[in-house]
Amino acid sequence: GQQVMQIPQYQHVQEGEDFTTYCNSSTTLSNIQWYKQRPGGHPVFLIQLVKSGEVKKQKRLTFQFGEAKKNSSLHITATQTTDVGTYFCAGPEDSNYQLIWGAGTKLIIKP
Amino acid sequence: EAQVTQNPRYLITVTGKKLTVTCSQNMNHEYMSWYRQDPGLGLRQIYYSMNVEVTDKGDVPEGYKVSRKEKRNFPLILESPSPNQTSLYFCASRFRGRYTFGSGTRLTVV
Repeated sequence: GQQVMQIPQYQHVQEGEDFTTYCNSSTTLSNIQWYKQRPGGHPVFLIQLVKSGEVKKQKRLTFQFGEAKKNSSLHITATQTTDVGTYFCAGPEDSNYQLIWGAGTKLIIKP
Repeated sequence: EAQVTQNPRYLITVTGKKLTVTCSQNMNHEYMSWYRQDPGLGLRQIYYSMNVEVTDKGDVPEGYKVSRKEKRNFPLILESPSPNQTSLYFCASRFRGRYTFGSGTRLTVV
């Protein structure tokens, strides 16, 4: 069946370093969404990308949707402690439009 | 404030004792869903509902039941909980593809 793979599972960075998480779908997606889950919290919608090659920015966060609409990335420039959490990508399944979720990438700031 | 409300936040129960986790949304969304989250496995869908009286199985429905008698409420029922249902549960509603999640229910079955 359709799968969305997300890597890495964890990323340890020093505060101020950059962070990137990647999503790869086994099939072409009509759109891709990104969510952030703070420690002890619930997933919160960040953004939805729809167009091939789309790039969107939210302050220090840059989201990209690949030309083939099968991959996506989230890049955070100069991480801050407020960025800590797990970032999930998700795309709709072809057959029933239910979201298929990546396993998430946990951003950890080294002390 | 637009929100999805789940109760309880934490629950410890014993094997076989029926329980219900409630979920309510105040946004008049037609679509609602239940997920469980386990370390390393991400979010897995249990059941979803496209509208009142319309429910369907997700990826991991075994051992769970749901009902959707009215638009705002979507309770999750565990008729006979087992330890492998120990998990973090999230209810969500959806509008124009965007999901809004409840704060979660951490369930422990001993």
